[in-house]
Amino acid sequence: QKEVEQNSGPLSVPEGAIASLNCTYSDRVSQSFFWYRQYSGKSPELIMSIYSNGDKEDGRFTAQLNKASQYVSLLIRDSQPSDSATYLCAVNKGGTSYGKLTFGQGTILTVHP
Amino acid sequence: NAGVTQTPKFQVLKTGQSMTLQCAQDMNHNSMYWYRQDPGMGLRLIYYSASEGTTDKGEVPNGYNVSRLNKREFSLRLESAAPSQTSVYFCASSDRGRDGYTFGSGTRLTVV
Repeated sequence: QKEVEQNSGPLSVPEGAIASLNCTYSDRVSQSFFWYRQYSGKSPELIMSIYSNGDKEDGRFTAQLNKASQYVSLLIRDSQPSDSATYLCAVNKGGTSYGKLTFGQGTILTVHP
Repeated sequence: NAGVTQTPKFQVLKTGQSMTLQCAQDMNHNSMYWYRQDPGMGLRLIYYSASEGTTDKGEVPNGYNVSRLNKREFSLRLESAAPSQTSVYFCASSDRGRDGYTFGSGTRLTVV
């Protein structure tokens, strides 16, 4: 079982819709969770971080964490063509792994006009 | 506000050649990391440096060496390049791992 799993997609949504991206992780001691956006040929850019169970909202983005289910998700409201990118889920286990992130393979999102 | 600077951006090597990828950050971060990104494999950790003076292996360290020259700089060396090392290499830094990383722009390396 991979430590961090994402559906590779591609996920295609129409402009203005809600895009829902999902990620599961295997290690229950994981403490910090991140979503990165990566445009083609570019480096990953941090868009959201979440540390506690529940929802965290930042503009059109909402991160959701459920540690009991070992599940983290990213919702993008009012999706725009400029949101088309690969979204990477990353997990920090903390403890002796402090600082090291394990990444999922990424989900390709396409927002079509 | 340069952030994390990587050089070079592109490189083509012949099998067996050596090279060093350079990385420098100006954010006064303690920790620095080297990842490689391959299609279908995601980002995989090669080496990291939790703080100045320390380095540790990551998930895929074979064929690589690193040097944490000072707090700002963290270099990755390929002693004898192999085609399997063809990849995009990213350097990243963080103040505390809890806060996530800032990535450099990447080095696209091709070994022929």
